[in-house]
Amino acid sequence: EAAVTQSPRSKVAVTGGKVTLSCHQTNNHDYMYWYRQDTGHGLRLIHYSYVADSTEKGDIPDGYKASRPSQENFSLILELASLSQTAVYFCASSGLNSGNTLYFGEGSRLIVV
Amino acid sequence: GQQVQQSPASLVLQEGENAELQCNFSTSLNSMQWFYQRPEGSLVSLFYNPSGTKQSGRLTSTTVIKERRSSLHISSSQITDSGTYLCAMDNTGANTGKLTFGHGTILRVHP
Repeated sequence: EAAVTQSPRSKVAVTGGKVTLSCHQTNNHDYMYWYRQDTGHGLRLIHYSYVADSTEKGDIPDGYKASRPSQENFSLILELASLSQTAVYFCASSGLNSGNTLYFGEGSRLIVV
Repeated sequence: GQQVQQSPASLVLQEGENAELQCNFSTSLNSMQWFYQRPEGSLVSLFYNPSGTKQSGRLTSTTVIKERRSSLHISSSQITDSGTYLCAMDNTGANTGKLTFGHGTILRVHP
């Protein structure tokens, strides 16, 4: 069974603070993604990566950085958290060995106060 | 404008009834996927369906690429089908997970 795990599962952060969301996959997938979900907006792509040590901007990258130190790990970094970044964040992976289907983590609920 | 339109926005069924969920795309696309979001928030892939019809149990997905639409049919609905159904398209040409999502259809099935 494909597995994508995220941590933390929930977090309350202070405005202006730094937040790091971590993602680990055991699917042997090359592709990893960070999406954010807001009420009324569905899921939107923030950053993605095709290979270790390389990241790409998605549709809404402003205010976020990403890091892919290995095939298995992909982090999302909020250097200066803002109220507008309160949302649920989903990590996902995909690969040719699983027909390009997206496998999602359980989600990380972030509240910025 | 919104590239992925889902309808209806919400749907209430009596257990045992069938449902037809629609997804329409405003641009050309290479493939699309259907996902189910459980009430507690986790996401599960239902279908990767670039074209044609696929079936899994009581679920059937039909995608007509040239008409820019896809449908998800749920037969004999069960209470455990309640949740949100999301469709998403890949129009990058690279057939990756860079997806554009619709806002979802919220389904509630009552006994």
